[in-house]
Amino acid sequence: RKEVEQDPGPFNVPEGATVAFNCTYSNSASQSFFWYRQDCRKEPKLLMSVYSSGNEDGRFTAQLNRASQYISLLIRDSKLSDSATYLCVVNPGSSNTGKLIFGQGTTLQVKP
Amino acid sequence: NAGVTQTPKFQVLKTGQSMTLQCAQDMNHNSMYWYRQDPGMGLRLIYYSASEGTTDKGEVPNGYNVSRLNKREFSLRLESAAPSQTSVYFCASTMRGLLARGGSSSYEQYFGPGTRLTVT
Repeated sequence: RKEVEQDPGPFNVPEGATVAFNCTYSNSASQSFFWYRQDCRKEPKLLMSVYSSGNEDGRFTAQLNRASQYISLLIRDSKLSDSATYLCVVNPGSSNTGKLIFGQGTTLQVKP
Repeated sequence: NAGVTQTPKFQVLKTGQSMTLQCAQDMNHNSMYWYRQDPGMGLRLIYYSASEGTTDKGEVPNGYNVSRLNKREFSLRLESAAPSQTSVYFCASTMRGLLARGGSSSYEQYFGPGTRLTVT
């Protein structure tokens, strides 16, 4: 079983739609959680951290469910510019090396 | 600040040739990482350096070597390139690391623009 699993998609949605991605992680000791965004042929960049209480940044909402070991990302009012691959990322918490485990990513394509 | 820089951006090698990918960061980060990214596989960690003077294997280290030259620079070497090493290589860095202070350092990793390597 992969340490971090995501549905690769692609998710094809019209502009203005609401779309949600889920991600599961296998290590119950994982401490920190993130969503990164990767545009085609570019490097990944941090989109947002995920906190236990849930957090929102504009149209983006991230949730963490430790009991079920999953993380979600909700995008409201999708824009064409949201088209990208979204990577679920987990810090396994086993040492202070800063290592992160990346999911393979979920591709979102927003259509006009 | 330039952030994380990588050279070269593109490279084509023949099987058996060697090369070194260069990475440098100007953010005074403690830890640096090398990943490869292949279609459908996501980012896989090749090697990392949790502090200047230390290096450790990641998930897929075979066929690679690394050098943490100083706090800023972390290079990746392919001694004898193989077609299976055709990939996009990303370098990343973070303030976290063995010499970082406590829990206040962010886990955010900053990535370089990548090197697209083709081995024929």
